[in-house]
Amino acid sequence: KQEVTQIPAALSVPEGENLVLNCSFTDSAIYNLQWFRQDPGKGLTSLLLIQSSQREQTSGRLNASLDKSSGRSTLYIAASQPGDSATYLCALQSGGSYIPTFGRGTSLIVHP
Amino acid sequence: NAGVTQTPKFRILKIGQSMTLQCTQDMNHNYMYWYRQDPGMGLKLIYYSVGAGITDKGEVPNGYNVSRSTTEDFPLRLELAAPSQTSVYFCASTLWTSGIETQYFGPGTRLLVL
Repeated sequence: KQEVTQIPAALSVPEGENLVLNCSFTDSAIYNLQWFRQDPGKGLTSLLLIQSSQREQTSGRLNASLDKSSGRSTLYIAASQPGDSATYLCALQSGGSYIPTFGRGTSLIVHP
Repeated sequence: NAGVTQTPKFRILKIGQSMTLQCTQDMNHNYMYWYRQDPGMGLKLIYYSVGAGITDKGEVPNGYNVSRSTTEDFPLRLELAAPSQTSVYFCASTLWTSGIETQYFGPGTRLLVL
């Protein structure tokens, strides 16, 4: 059974700092990995999706990488802003299953 | 497109009452999902559907029922509400073809059972 772990559970940083959120998983047979953002009281919004054949994806100040051999993905946020404050979740679609497995998320606060 | 819509946004139920959470998507997606999210616990899958007329249990199906009579709608039914069902419920959908499609989420329904 696929297990997804996100560390740290919470993170507080000053504005302007570059930061890395981590996602680790136990089964490397995955179709894709997604990073989502969830604002308080809202639903999830997809940020980046990495297919199993890809190593990374970029969107603006966000860069997500995937290393299946080590069972890790990272979400890099450059020049963080208070508007980046949210919970970030990673989700994996594993091989043979169309049901994504979610991590518990990292709650990020960027203070001015 | 409106995307994934959910109603109601918030509801208070008494123990033993029943209700249906509505979910509709207008993107012609084949897969639809119901999740519950408890504080600090991530998302847990309740039920999912791979197409009209086909549903299957997820990780935490007890106390819930679903139906999928159309591609667009995927209602979640609570028959006898219990305090343990106090949670935020999210509906999601995706067009699953070759593993490169993303999930789209609704805004959620906050349910309080007293």
